[in-house]
This record gives sequence, structure tokens and C-alpha cells, in this order.
Amino acid sequence: ETGVTQSPTHLIKTRGQQVTLRCSSQSGHNTVSWYQQALGQGPQFIFQYYREEENGRGNFPPRFSGLQFPNYSSELNVNALELDDSALYLCASSLSAAQASYEQYFGPGTRLTVT
Amino acid sequence: DQQVKQNSPSLSVQEGRISILNCDYTNSMFDYFLWYKKYPAEGPTFLISISSIKDKNEDGRFTVFLNKSAKHLSLHIVPSQPGDSAVYFCAASASGTGNQFYFGTGTSLTVIP
Repeated sequence: ETGVTQSPTHLIKTRGQQVTLRCSSQSGHNTVSWYQQALGQGPQFIFQYYREEENGRGNFPPRFSGLQFPNYSSELNVNALELDDSALYLCASSLSAAQASYEQYFGPGTRLTVT
Repeated sequence: DQQVKQNSPSLSVQEGRISILNCDYTNSMFDYFLWYKKYPAEGPTFLISISSIKDKNEDGRFTVFLNKSAKHLSLHIVPSQPGDSAVYFCAASASGTGNQFYFGTGTSLTVIP
């Protein structure tokens, strides 16, 4: 059984650019959540995808968008990058949002630096 | 607005002693709570959970206590081991929110051999 994987590990972008981060869910998991963790803070919920549909969103602007694919892998897209977007982006998969299985399994994260 | 708070950024404990990590929340709708452990360069790892219908849940050396009236939960680690040194996050969720979790800012635990 493979765990949650994320790519790339590190990324440096310039303000105003766009970025795509990728996540592969743990085998058998159909729900993916994305979190932003700024330095010294806890993870903040961005949004969740369940069976390819957005299933909840945190307090993030529309320039943060996502996709979930039929194999349940997921992408996080951020447009018009700002300096404050510099953070660790974590992806977490869980068995099923519908079944309220709360145990989420996190990937190692992508460290995004915006200059 | 920080709905989940961990007021102790760091904690040091001698090996073999008890570690107590605390967490407070403000949203009375939260009914499910989790603790995660995070090592550097890794994602958080699920440790233990508790639902609001219980006031205690135990798993080996780890016990979580929930005091709903005080909106407070704590994680006890007994006995503490050097391998427990990590950052611990508590997280909370409310039913019907699609597993949207609110995390605290974390407590860095150091277990001294």
C-alpha cells in the first residue's frame, strides 16, 4: 500500500506567476484535502475534493483552485502568486468524506517560495 | 480567528516522565478531535482521535482527554520516549463540514534522554 505522495518537493516562483502542485492519494482513498502551512503556524484548510467534486472550502480566495481526477489524484493551482503564498502545502487523503472517516493521511508537502 | 489554540509553543520532558500537551477550542460545534505528530520534512501523522461522545480515548502510551464544558483537550504520553520528540498538532472538526479540520499552531515536544 503506497502512502500519499506530493510533487514537487520544493518550488521557487516569482510574484504574479502561476503554480500547480500535485498529490497522489493513498490507495483506496477517494477524498483529498489541501492545506497551507505558513511558517510557525498550523495547517489551514484550503479545500477538499470528494469523487472529483469540491466538497468544502476554507477562507482562501478564488485564485486557489483545484482538481481531482478519476484515479483520485489531485492538483492545487494558485494564480497570481503573492509573497504571502510562500508556505508548505500539504495534501491529505482519507477513505471517504461521505462516511465521515476523519483519519486523514498526509503527504510530505511541497515547499513553495514566492520571490 | 484562531478557533483551535495550542498556547504552549514548546515543552521539554525527561525520558520516562509524563508529557501533557494542551489544546483549547472556541467553536462549540466541534465534535471530533485529532492529534497529529510531525517530524521535520515529513507530513503530519495521525496519532489518536476522540469524538465528543467520549471524554477519554486511550491507545498504548497515548491518551486523549476531552473536557467539553471547558472546550479543552489534552494529550498525555506515558512514559515519554526520545522518539516522541516532534511537533504535535491538535485539530478539530464539526459534523457536516466535509471533514474540514481546524488546526492549532502546534507544540514542539522534546524528550530528554
